[in-house]
Amino acid sequence: GAGVSQTPSNKVTEKGKYVELRCDPISGHTALYWYRQSLGQGPEFLIYFQGTGAADDSGLPNDRFFAVRPEGSVSTLKIQRTERGDSAVYLCASSSGQGAAAFFGQGTRLTVV
Amino acid sequence: AQSVTQPDIHITVSEGASLELRCNYSYGATPYLFWYVQSPGQGLQLLLKYFSGDTLVQGIKGFEAEFKRSQSSFNLRKPSVHWSDAAEYFCAVYGGATNKLIFGTGTLLAVQP
Repeated sequence: GAGVSQTPSNKVTEKGKYVELRCDPISGHTALYWYRQSLGQGPEFLIYFQGTGAADDSGLPNDRFFAVRPEGSVSTLKIQRTERGDSAVYLCASSSGQGAAAFFGQGTRLTVV
Repeated sequence: AQSVTQPDIHITVSEGASLELRCNYSYGATPYLFWYVQSPGQGLQLLLKYFSGDTLVQGIKGFEAEFKRSQSSFNLRKPSVHWSDAAEYFCAVYGGATNKLIFGTGTLLAVQP
């Protein structure tokens, strides 16, 4: 596609529920990133994929968070047993490779009530 | 580990005035540096990037930035600010070994008539 697409744009869920956030990167981009942005903060790194594998998942806050990219294109960020503190905007970005500029999607605003 | 500092949380300038947003980075090797802009409710848009070569880089919307290795800085400038430039600006550094794009906390720019 023309840009990075994230769905849904908004998600409201109840505490304790499971959610999946989807990211469609720019076609041909091998690198894919997930970030979390809380109000008034800069984007916080979560995980980086190079192809199908997670090259760096050091930013995932705990084992409730997991992300996959099975075919090296679309990625899904999965959050189990959601907590109110997980409420934030989740941003996805893709780039053509190591060191290249990253292009961001519009984000998914997750609200846990 | 690499890091980015944006010392100014909030800046207000008059329309037509010049602008300089500060960014300092910490990274052992030559960094890849970026400036992004985020308008309210929007994703991050790439303004410009520095990889190597000329230390003064031009970006979109009339912005430029200068890489100064001796000062570990990559300040963003614009000679004449327009009301539409009101947004939040993020500086980021790309650490090659870890492949993470690390963001500063951002500078919120307000433009007054």
